[in-house]
Amino acid sequence: GNSVTQMEGPVTLSEEAFLTINCTYTATGYPSLFWYVQYPGEGLQLLLKATKADDKGSNKGFEATYRKETTSFHLEKGSVQVSDSAVYFCALIMNTGFQKLVFGTGTRLLVSP
Amino acid sequence: DAGVIQSPRHEVTEMGQEVTLRCKPISGHDYLFWYRQTMMRGLELLIYFNNNVPIDDSGMPEDRFSAKMPNASFSTLKIQPSEPRDSAVYFCASSPGQNFYGYTFGSGTRLTVV
Repeated sequence: GNSVTQMEGPVTLSEEAFLTINCTYTATGYPSLFWYVQYPGEGLQLLLKATKADDKGSNKGFEATYRKETTSFHLEKGSVQVSDSAVYFCALIMNTGFQKLVFGTGTRLLVSP
Repeated sequence: DAGVIQSPRHEVTEMGQEVTLRCKPISGHDYLFWYRQTMMRGLELLIYFNNNVPIDDSGMPEDRFSAKMPNASFSTLKIQPSEPRDSAVYFCASSPGQNFYGYTFGSGTRLTVV
C-alpha cells in the first residue's frame, strides 16, 4: 500500500540553523504531497503542498520539492526560529477518485535560542 | 470561514461515563474525518463521512465508540462507557473532496478519563 516515511526525531537545532526534515514515500502512481505542522496544543495546519513532480511548495520560509526520481519531499528552511518548534508531518494523497490522506509518523523539531 | 470547530477543548471524565465530542466542519466541505492522537499510537483515522454518510469506520477501536453526522454542519463522536485508555486528543477534519486541497483540522478535544 501507499506509505510515508519520515526521519526520527527529535531534531534539535539552534536558532538560525539550517533545517532539513527528510520524507520519502511509496505510492502506486503519482500522489499529491503535503507538509503539515502541529504547534503545541493545537491541531494540524497545512504548511505547504505540491501536486506534481518538480513542483516546489513554499510557505513561511519553508520549502519542499517533489522529487519523483527519489520519491522524496524533504522539508527545508534556511534559518529556523524558536517559534518553529513543533511537530511536522509529511503526507500523501493519491489523485484518482477520493482518497484518504496517508500520514508519516511526524518529526518533532526543537529550536533553542 | 471560522475553520473546523470542535468542542469542548478539554474534557475530564470518570471511567464509565459517557463522553460526547462535537465538530462543525467548514461549510461546503463534503468529507468529515475523526482522528485520535496519542503518544504511543500517533495519529489514527477512526471514521470518515461523505455527505453525512459514514463511509469507513474500520478505525473505530471497539463498539464503545460511535459517530454520527445528522446534517452537513454537525458531527458527534461518542464513547460509552469511557475507559482510561481512551485518554487522547481527538481531532475532527474536513475536506472539499478534491484531493489536492488536503484536509483542514480543528484544534482538537483533549480527553482525560480518570
